[in-house]
This record gives sequence, structure tokens and C-alpha cells, in this order.
Amino acid sequence: DAGVIQSPRHEVTEMGQEVTLRCKPISGHDYLFWYRQTMMRGLELLIYFNNNVPIDDSGMPEDRFSAKMPNASFSTLKIQPSEPRDSAVYFCASRWGLGAFFGQGTRLTVV
Amino acid sequence: DQQVKQNSPSLSVQEGRISILNCDYTNSMFDYFLWYKKYPAEGPTFLISISSIKDKNEDGRFTVFLNKSAKHLSLHIVPSQPGDSAVYFCAASAKYGNKLVFGAGTILRVKS
Repeated sequence: DAGVIQSPRHEVTEMGQEVTLRCKPISGHDYLFWYRQTMMRGLELLIYFNNNVPIDDSGMPEDRFSAKMPNASFSTLKIQPSEPRDSAVYFCASRWGLGAFFGQGTRLTVV
Repeated sequence: DQQVKQNSPSLSVQEGRISILNCDYTNSMFDYFLWYKKYPAEGPTFLISISSIKDKNEDGRFTVFLNKSAKHLSLHIVPSQPGDSAVYFCAASAKYGNKLVFGAGTILRVKS
């Protein structure tokens, strides 16, 4: 298995534009998490899914953020409209059992 | 509300010596704890874990200690090596399948 795959690895966009981050979890994993890494807050959980159903989205900072998991092998995190303060590294992780496996992240820069 | 706290942003240690990274938590429902290691431009990778029924778990140079009464855990690396230089995240979970809550991370630098 190739592990958790995220795309794109880097994204630079202008303020106000829509940004979509993508994630392919490890096959067979039943939980999927979206995290955001910042210097101040470390790894901040945004939302997580169990069997494609959103369980807890209390970490989503604003209505500008939305996430979907249409099937077991794909999830998206969308920011619309994007703002400079959204600049961060966004990680997707999938889990089966007690550990979680992370993708390499998407570095988002909003200018 | 930070339920998992790593109060030391950074730690610098000489090669061959012991590195001790600390983590405190506030949620008494947490019963499973993990340490992750992260290199620049990579995702965090699992390092070692401990269940609340134990107070120590060892894997090679890495040992995690859990003090439930103090709601405190620590990661010991001995001997430290330059390749251990990375960001270390502490994480906790209330039960299987529940969310993993992470601390802010500690940057470890091992000097040769």
C-alpha cells in the first residue's frame, strides 16, 4: 500500500479563491482525519469521518471550511473563500485500530 | 482548550545523552497515548504508544512513561542520535476509534 496520499503537495492561491485539498486514505481504514499544523497550535484536528460519515467537525474554524468523504477512498477539504490566515500545512490521516497514518501534507499559501 | 500540552517548544541535547520530552493532559477519559515524530516536509510518523493500563512501554532506544495520577507522560530517548532531531508530538485518545488529540509539539535537536 502506498500509504495516505494527499494532493497537491503545495498550493499557492490568491485571497478569495477557492481551494480544494484531496486525500486518499489507506485501503481498509475506517477513520479519516483532517488536521492543520500551525506554529502556535501544533496539530489541530479539523474534522474526522467514520465509514465516510462526518463524526465531529467542531474543529472546523469557520463556515468557509467544508469537508466531504463521498466514498471510502477519497476525501476533500475545501476552503471558500480562502484568506491569508488559512496558510498552513494540512494533513490527512487514516486509522484502523489504535494508530493513525499521515499523508505528507499539503502546504497552503494564501497571498 | 488544549487538552494535550507540550510545554517545552524545543529541547537541545548532546549526542549520546538522554532526551526527555514531556506531555501533560487534562482529560481523564484519555486512555491511550501515542508519540509521533515529524521531519520537515513529511507527515508525522508513529513512534511508540502506551495504554492506560501500563505505566511503561519500551521499544529499543525509546521508552514512554505514563503517570495517570499526574496526567503526565514522557518520552525518553537514550542514547540520543543526530537522526533523532525532529518535532515530537504527543497524542491522546479516549477510546478506540475516537479522535486523536495532539499537543503543539517539541522540537528536538541532537548535537553531534
